[in-house]
Amino acid sequence: DGGITQSPKYLFRKEGQNVTLSCEQNLNHDAMYWYRQDPGQGLRLIYYSQIVNDFQKGDIAEGYSVSREKKESFPLTVTSAQKNPTAFYLCASSPPGPYEQYFGPGTRLTVT
Amino acid sequence: KQEVTQIPAALSVPEGENLVLNCSFTDSAIYNLQWFRQDPGKGLTSLLLIQSSQREQTSGRLNASLDKSSGRSTLYIAASQPGDSATYLCAVKRGNNRLAFGKGNQVVVIP
Repeated sequence: DGGITQSPKYLFRKEGQNVTLSCEQNLNHDAMYWYRQDPGQGLRLIYYSQIVNDFQKGDIAEGYSVSREKKESFPLTVTSAQKNPTAFYLCASSPPGPYEQYFGPGTRLTVT
Repeated sequence: KQEVTQIPAALSVPEGENLVLNCSFTDSAIYNLQWFRQDPGKGLTSLLLIQSSQREQTSGRLNASLDKSSGRSTLYIAASQPGDSATYLCAVKRGNNRLAFGKGNQVVVIP
């Protein structure tokens, strides 16, 4: 089955710790994206990558970092510099051009 | 900056009624518009994709229209069912391959 997997589904961390969220796709898509979703807000773009070894900041990149060493994988690290890290994080991918974006099941991160 | 608005934030309809959800955007220079469904605590499921050159798309009970000149899209769900209860989000694709999302319409279909 083709799709996007995110792990873990739930993640709990203490304040001040860095944490890495996993995103893997087997759709052979070039582009991958990380979004953050908070209650009452739309999805906000954190980082995106259109090709391996290249990525760009989205609208709310501060306190986050990414890497894109393989086409299939786009991990997101939430650093201790992120002031309000508790949120629902969604990974997505798409082929190049005007095509659909597909989403993973999400990771809910809680930092206390 | 592209802004996408979905009003109302929440609505309830009796089972069997047609659902009409509206999405408006400020910049008509879009590549496409995508409607998604999101169930609580889950990821987004793509429902329909309308290219900028198209006026509408249909899939089963769902129909979405696009009027770029007025910056509007409408999602129609015919003969609503309790299983249609979810949040519906629209998103427009910009020139840099990025999506701009609305905040969604939270729909409850009452049996």
